[in-house]
Amino acid sequence: EVQLLESGGGLVQPGGSLRLSCAASGFTFRSYAMSWVRQAPGKGLEWVSKISGSGDSTYYADSVKGRFTISRDSSKNKVYMQMNSLRAEDTAVYYCAKNGGVYFDYWGQGTLVTVSS
Amino acid sequence: QTVVTQEPSFSVSPGGTVTLTCGLTSGSVSTTHYPSWYQQTPGQTPRTLIYDTNTRSSGVPDRFSGSILGNKAALTITGAQADDESDYYCVLYMGSGFSVFGGGTKLTVL
Repeated sequence: EVQLLESGGGLVQPGGSLRLSCAASGFTFRSYAMSWVRQAPGKGLEWVSKISGSGDSTYYADSVKGRFTISRDSSKNKVYMQMNSLRAEDTAVYYCAKNGGVYFDYWGQGTLVTVSS
Repeated sequence: QTVVTQEPSFSVSPGGTVTLTCGLTSGSVSTTHYPSWYQQTPGQTPRTLIYDTNTRSSGVPDRFSGSILGNKAALTITGAQADDESDYYCVLYMGSGFSVFGGGTKLTVL
């Protein structure tokens, strides 16, 4: 059974940093790309970033490019999102998602990030 | 900048059929965008319904179907049920690793 468990969310001040983690199990981790998708309160879903199975390729939405960094550790079956220079508009539930091709086939439960002073 | 468009809201009667669409502000949607569809009820994790235009995800009932209609991707729900009342999101693959969500459609069953 595929399981994705996010952690690391919390309250952070504007301009601050936070690192999210996603622990994956139930599939051959290094064979699949992984993504982060976020949802601001009362808003729709927004794709944020993606990393290839090998970790060699990374992709970012324009809204986070230069501030967020996605990475993965295949020895731990984990994906990370380092978030720097956080803004109020980054407040959202962040979901970790497994890519099945170019779509998202499994989702975690999400972790809430609140950027506020 | 190209935006993925969806109807903000739609309603359907129980037992009825509804088609939700997913378009582009510039250009047409095709199978090369690998349209996928997700269902989300408030407070819940998204659920994958359809991928690669018309392939149902495991466990999704066959009353959910995907297609290309004209210049848009489409999600059709046949025989709508009360628990189909949810938000529905489409995603289009824009190439080079990038995906874009539509704004979502809030479906009411009444």
